[in-house]
Amino acid sequence: SQTIHQWPATLVQPVGSPLSLECTVEGTSNPNLYWYRQAAGRGLQLLFYSVGIGQISSEVPQNLSASRPQDRQFILSSKKLLLSDSGFYLCAWSWTVPPHNEQFFGPGTRLTVL
Amino acid sequence: SQQGEEDPQALSIQEGENATMNCSYKTSINNLQWYRQNSGRGLVHLILIRSNEREKHSGRLRVTLDTSKKSSSLLITASRAADTASYFCATELREDDYKLSFGAGTTVTVRA
Repeated sequence: SQTIHQWPATLVQPVGSPLSLECTVEGTSNPNLYWYRQAAGRGLQLLFYSVGIGQISSEVPQNLSASRPQDRQFILSSKKLLLSDSGFYLCAWSWTVPPHNEQFFGPGTRLTVL
Repeated sequence: SQQGEEDPQALSIQEGENATMNCSYKTSINNLQWYRQNSGRGLVHLILIRSNEREKHSGRLRVTLDTSKKSSSLLITASRAADTASYFCATELREDDYKLSFGAGTTVTVRA
């Protein structure tokens, strides 16, 4: 069976500090991978998605970046955090080939920037 | 930008009652999905309905889709305290079949 891991679970960082959030998937190969951000009481905003190693698509301009150094590893980074980067970050994966269109989510990382 | 919008934003019901929430969207879709999120957790996929389907059932869940009105509804029958969560609709657009667009969600509270 497939599992998805995210760490850390919670993070408190000062403004201007760097960020690295990691997501790994087990039990599948060549998944589509996604990073979302969820503001308090809101829906999910798609930040990045990847259909293969080294292939990253950005959905919104921001000071965040994503990388996929290995098939089942997806990393969200920032060189300098802003207050507005606070939120709940969710990683998800999906099968590459339809009709398996549902996404499977990790437990999330709650980031607070002070 | 968000494609789907859920209605109502919040819903409070008694255990055993049914809960209905609606989702409207703007452009043509391949499918529409419903997810549940317990407080502070990741999302869990509940059910997927394709654009050529009108109704689908899964346990106590019933989903309808009306593509002419660009709307969907999720019905939870005989609700339980464990159904307390936020429910999100997500649409897969025809031209973006790798991505989902999520609404802002309906928060459901089931009172014991």
